[in-house]
Amino acid sequence: GAGVSQTPSNKVTEKGKYVELRCDPISGHTALYWYRQSLGQGPEFLIYFQGTGAADDSGLPNDRFFAVRPEGSVSTLKIQRTERGDSAVYLCASSLTGDRVETQYFGPGTRLLVL
Amino acid sequence: AQSVAQPEDQVNVAEGNPLTVKCTYSVSGNPYLFWYVQYPNRGLQFLLKYITGDNLVKGSYGFEAEFNKSQTSFHLKKPSALVSDSALYFCAVRLNAGNNRKLIWGLGTSLAVNP
Repeated sequence: GAGVSQTPSNKVTEKGKYVELRCDPISGHTALYWYRQSLGQGPEFLIYFQGTGAADDSGLPNDRFFAVRPEGSVSTLKIQRTERGDSAVYLCASSLTGDRVETQYFGPGTRLLVL
Repeated sequence: AQSVAQPEDQVNVAEGNPLTVKCTYSVSGNPYLFWYVQYPNRGLQFLLKYITGDNLVKGSYGFEAEFNKSQTSFHLKKPSALVSDSALYFCAVRLNAGNNRKLIWGLGTSLAVNP
């Protein structure tokens, strides 16, 4: 079946602009995760949704970052007043609730470049 | 602080030889352990995970990993490497605590398999 999809695949914006990144999880997966990966680093956790609600948003770096999942499926990560330091690959993953230890399945990522 | 270490930035092996990619962790309790692989311009792909029980875990593409609690290690292994195994490998841990789903990642190890 279809995996996790993310759009756009690439996004170039200017410092100070607002961006939205979209994630479509695997059908039937109730848990959804956002990570970001800077060059030469491992992924860094941002936020985790269980259904429509954010179960853990401890990784959001500041209040410029916000994520929603209004219908418990598609999620949007929103970044306000972008800064050059926000440039990274933003990864989305989903998992099937009910597994003893859920495996997170990742999308291809959105590469964000802030000029 | 919770952390994952992959002590080798790069591992080089000849095709047909056994390979090992090392991972050690420093977290409290009894974590769950994961290996993912990342090919260029593609998302992270799940290889295997350790939950409990048998210390040797078998996963995708002929990979396996050995959990060693006393050494807090979870090394990835394959008996006979293929050129197509060349990629970036990430070790990750998840704390076994409550509703936690956050994965903590190593920096990755680049595996090069030479023909």
